[in-house]
Amino acid sequence: KQEVTQIPAALSVPEGENLVLNCSFTDSAIYNLQWFRQDPGKGLTSLLLIQSSQREQTSGRLNASLDKSSGRSTLYIAASQPGDSATYLCAVDGSARQLTFGSGTQLTVLP
Amino acid sequence: GAVVSQHPSWVICKSGTSVKIECRSLDFQATTMFWYRQFPKQSLMLMATSNEGSKATYEQGVEKDKFLINHASLTLSTLTVTSAHPEDSSFYICSASSTSGRAYEQYFGPGTRLTVT
Repeated sequence: KQEVTQIPAALSVPEGENLVLNCSFTDSAIYNLQWFRQDPGKGLTSLLLIQSSQREQTSGRLNASLDKSSGRSTLYIAASQPGDSATYLCAVDGSARQLTFGSGTQLTVLP
Repeated sequence: GAVVSQHPSWVICKSGTSVKIECRSLDFQATTMFWYRQFPKQSLMLMATSNEGSKATYEQGVEKDKFLINHASLTLSTLTVTSAHPEDSSFYICSASSTSGRAYEQYFGPGTRLTVT
């Protein structure tokens, strides 16, 4: 059974810092990996989707990498802003074509 | 494109009553829809997967008689929480996927907050 782990569980940084969020998964037989953002009490906003054949995806200040063989993905956020404060979830689309979510990293960017 | 809506966005009901939550794909045909629940400060847990015109497939530990799922059309799925109890209070999120475009990518609705008193 696929298990997804996110480290750290919470992170607080001053505005302007670059930061890295980590995601690891146990079964490397995946179709894709996706990073989401969730604001308190809200639904999910898709940030980046990396297909299994890809190594990274970029969108603005966000860059996500995927190392399928080692079961790891990272989300890099450059020049963080207070508006980036949210919970970041990674999810893996595995052999059952179902998303398995990590427990999330709660990010706080201090002004 | 790929917009999914949920209705209602929040609902409060009394213990013992039933509540229906709708999930609609607004601009695409969703062959598969998924229902998740999320407890406070926890991640999303898949409850069931439904394909249009077929019975839903429930995850282990999810009571199918309590959480009734109907996927009668390619744009609508409903989740009915029957005889709701306070422990059913949660955030319910649906997602929908299409066979066109980026096949199998799931598009998420905004969620429904259910509070059972």
